[in-house]
Amino acid sequence: SYDLTQPPSVSVSPGQTASITCSGSELGNKFACWYQQKPGQSPVLIIYQDNKRPSGVPERFSGSNSGNTATLTISGTQAMDEADYYCQAWDSSTAVFGGGTKLAVL
Amino acid sequence: QVQLQESGPGLVKPSQTLSLTCTVSGGSISSGTFYWNWIRQHPGRGLEYIGYIHYSGSSFYSPSLKSRLTISLDTSKKQFHLKLISVTAADTAIYYCARAPQFRGGLDAFDVWGQGTMVTVSS
Repeated sequence: SYDLTQPPSVSVSPGQTASITCSGSELGNKFACWYQQKPGQSPVLIIYQDNKRPSGVPERFSGSNSGNTATLTISGTQAMDEADYYCQAWDSSTAVFGGGTKLAVL
Repeated sequence: QVQLQESGPGLVKPSQTLSLTCTVSGGSISSGTFYWNWIRQHPGRGLEYIGYIHYSGSSFYSPSLKSRLTISLDTSKKQFHLKLISVTAADTAIYYCARAPQFRGGLDAFDVWGQGTMVTVSS
């Protein structure tokens, strides 16, 4: 089965840039997307097709995907960005999710 | 604005059947442009994909659940359903329904999610 690996946690200071990685075999040959989930809420799509932002998602969220790694970058991180982030890709009709990364804004 | 709403019992006894419904509002469930999905999240854990159904009748089930799972579509009621038989405590989770647009012959990201419904399997 296909696996996606994320760091369990990432810390960032307010106003700084946070980077969350997602690793998988030849992930760059697939499309990666990212979801933000705050406590008690449903996941929200923030990046799709590697680097596209749905309407309403702030420009400080960006994505890239190459080789074996997809990266979510949050520029000028705000306290409201503290959440769990999940990457996801499709493999043989199955949606595969990374284990999630808890972003702490300290 | 399309919205999804899950409904169903919050408590199911072990060995019995879990049945959930996702109701679609603000848009069509009959559009071939979208796939209708179920995803679950065990308490304090990550996301697990369950499967999808498409208006054409095509469906996909997670191999780990395939022997116990049925996903169906009721276009007249704008609903799709999940049925999971022979449940155990391991099926205790928040269950989400979600929409995924069609993209390059497959599925794109999950762009609309329901609010989720907590299901506990316990006697």
